[in-house]
Amino acid sequence: GAVVSQHPSWVICKSGTSVKIECRSLDFQATTMFWYRQFPKQSLMLMATSNEGSKATYEQGVEKDKFLINHASLTLSTLTVTSAHPEDSSFYICSARDTSGRFGETQYFGPGTRLLVL
Amino acid sequence: GQNIDQPTEMTATEGAIVQINCTYQTSGFNGLFWYQQHAGEAPTFLSYNVLDGLEEKGRFSSFLSRSKGYSYLLLKELQMKDSASYLCAVSGLKGGATNKLIFGTGTLLAVQP
Repeated sequence: GAVVSQHPSWVICKSGTSVKIECRSLDFQATTMFWYRQFPKQSLMLMATSNEGSKATYEQGVEKDKFLINHASLTLSTLTVTSAHPEDSSFYICSARDTSGRFGETQYFGPGTRLLVL
Repeated sequence: GQNIDQPTEMTATEGAIVQINCTYQTSGFNGLFWYQQHAGEAPTFLSYNVLDGLEEKGRFSSFLSRSKGYSYLLLKELQMKDSASYLCAVSGLKGGATNKLIFGTGTLLAVQP
């Protein structure tokens, strides 16, 4: 139980293009999902909290117009990196919290998406 | 402010026991988590403490003291595959907002033969 998937696992794109990353909770419903970014040898930095049916809450310093988040259903959240630039190259990880209570307050992470912008 | 401290690196021997400490100062507290992260992979859940005391799960145990803002992760009978980064994370309540996880920088554990 408590499986979270992410797609794609790897993406290489040209500077200026947009990239969409999907995060799915496979065996539970998640009204809340989280998007993190991790640079090499650094810890996870929370980018935004994705709320089903409402707007995402962004952390300070994260541009909401650049990192578009949509949480259209209880099992799917998407992160779109718009007009990507080389400095956006990073490891993007989503997590989901089971709201049914089966797994308590635990956040379960997807496998991550490695983005390389050329 | 929010602050979570843990050692940057540790080295231990296969078969031994290692304790990874974590101290925290957060505006709220709704539980402390330990995650394991192998290089290039996403974190995997190890343990969750919300009350004081020791939680044991196989070779892994986690301890919490809320009054001291302190936790540790204890790994017994170390195996080579335990070489990874161990992340301490606190779930904090801020003004009723969704419980966000605040991560420490992680402790890179190297298990040697």
